[in-house]
Amino acid sequence: DSGVTQTPKHLITATGQRVTLRCSPRSGDLSVYWYQQSLDQGLQFLIQYYNGEERAKGNILERFSAQQFPDLHSELNLSSLELGDSALYFCASSVGGTTYNEQFFGPGTRLTVL
Amino acid sequence: SQQGEEDPQALSIQEGENATMNCSYKTSINNLQWYRQNSGRGLVHLILIRSNEREKHSGRLRVTLDTSKKSSSLLITASRAADTASYFCATDRRLLQGAQKLVFGQGTRLTINP
Repeated sequence: DSGVTQTPKHLITATGQRVTLRCSPRSGDLSVYWYQQSLDQGLQFLIQYYNGEERAKGNILERFSAQQFPDLHSELNLSSLELGDSALYFCASSVGGTTYNEQFFGPGTRLTVL
Repeated sequence: SQQGEEDPQALSIQEGENATMNCSYKTSINNLQWYRQNSGRGLVHLILIRSNEREKHSGRLRVTLDTSKKSSSLLITASRAADTASYFCATDRRLLQGAQKLVFGQGTRLTINP
């Protein structure tokens, strides 16, 4: 158990819908990262927040947005969902905000768009 | 875009044998990390090696880094059935405004046969 929690574990929805994925980082970790893992694209970095502020942005679509709240939990919002958005979405956390820090991954949310 | 490429894509060995996985990358790095992922679960950090290090050990794991060849290898000695998993290398990449992200390879799927 990494100490990172993600809800829900599974999500099935239809095209065009909007969903919210939630992540609670390990106690004491200030950074939260979001990743998307699919068979064709592999593990792709989406976005990072550090202590409530956006720190780094990766291959995140404009239909997707995220935020980190004062209690450091984070939410990833996916809207106007398409079939290709079906994937595993992971949240990770680390103490610091650089790539020298070990990242602790949550169990993931499996999103299926029908 | 993928930075690291693991080789081989899949590896199947007998329990007790050693397993070697390789990772090649394209641009200069500050550090390289290896992660393990059990099927459909979150990634687990194994080891981080900095660009000025050539070799690092952790238990049954040995990681080497050759920055002149832009490659790294992960050796698992005396393999066990529990080592069955996918193994990913991750390298750091600079983004705009000094931010960084981890870029993961496609992974090596390791199967340990009893």
